[in-house]
Amino acid sequence: SQQGEEDPQALSIQEGENATMNCSYKTSINNLQWYRQNSGRGLVHLILIRSNEREKHSGRLRVTLDTSKKSSSLLITASRAADTASYFCVYNQGGKLIFGQGTELSVKP
Amino acid sequence: NAGVMQNPRHLVRRRGQEARLRCSPMKGHSHVYWYRQLPEEGLKFMVYLQKENIIDESGMPKERFSAEFPKEGPSILRIQQVVRGDSAAYFCASSPNTFATNEKLFFGSGTQLSVL
Repeated sequence: SQQGEEDPQALSIQEGENATMNCSYKTSINNLQWYRQNSGRGLVHLILIRSNEREKHSGRLRVTLDTSKKSSSLLITASRAADTASYFCVYNQGGKLIFGQGTELSVKP
Repeated sequence: NAGVMQNPRHLVRRRGQEARLRCSPMKGHSHVYWYRQLPEEGLKFMVYLQKENIIDESGMPKERFSAEFPKEGPSILRIQQVVRGDSAAYFCASSPNTFATNEKLFFGSGTQLSVL
């Protein structure tokens, strides 16, 4: 399969809690990106982490990358109802983006 | 500067008809990617095009599907003789250059194809 693996597939939390999503991939990468998709809409780029970086922050987002384990995690702190969406990790394989299957996050007010 | 524009937003076809999906990349972008998304799944790569060239079509089904990105006008994804299994959301993305080390893609809102 060309897809990466993500877990959990679905995550339901209360507003204010933190949400952690994990992603594993299969090849060597130059970078790994995370995208967000609201229901029925296109994808929005959230953050990119290079292969020589271990951690990166952007607002309430924190991404880690472990190239030895071929895995990444996305942490959303102090979640809000508006964070409800699907989150995909994405990596470059041979010039095309390969998407994980996504984590569906539901944040309850 | 408008984003990536896809139309139509929704397309309904009967089995055996043709579906044409259009994508206008962001201004200044010469690279277009098409992805297909089935319900509750991630996006699956279909084809990567530059102006007048197909660079990578490894994700395209061998039959009935074709894509083009002419010198003038939008990129077109064409599905002939549609079947129910073609029902999905089709997303287009663009980038200014070859997907380089640190570039991101800009996505359109997608076309939802429903085959009756």
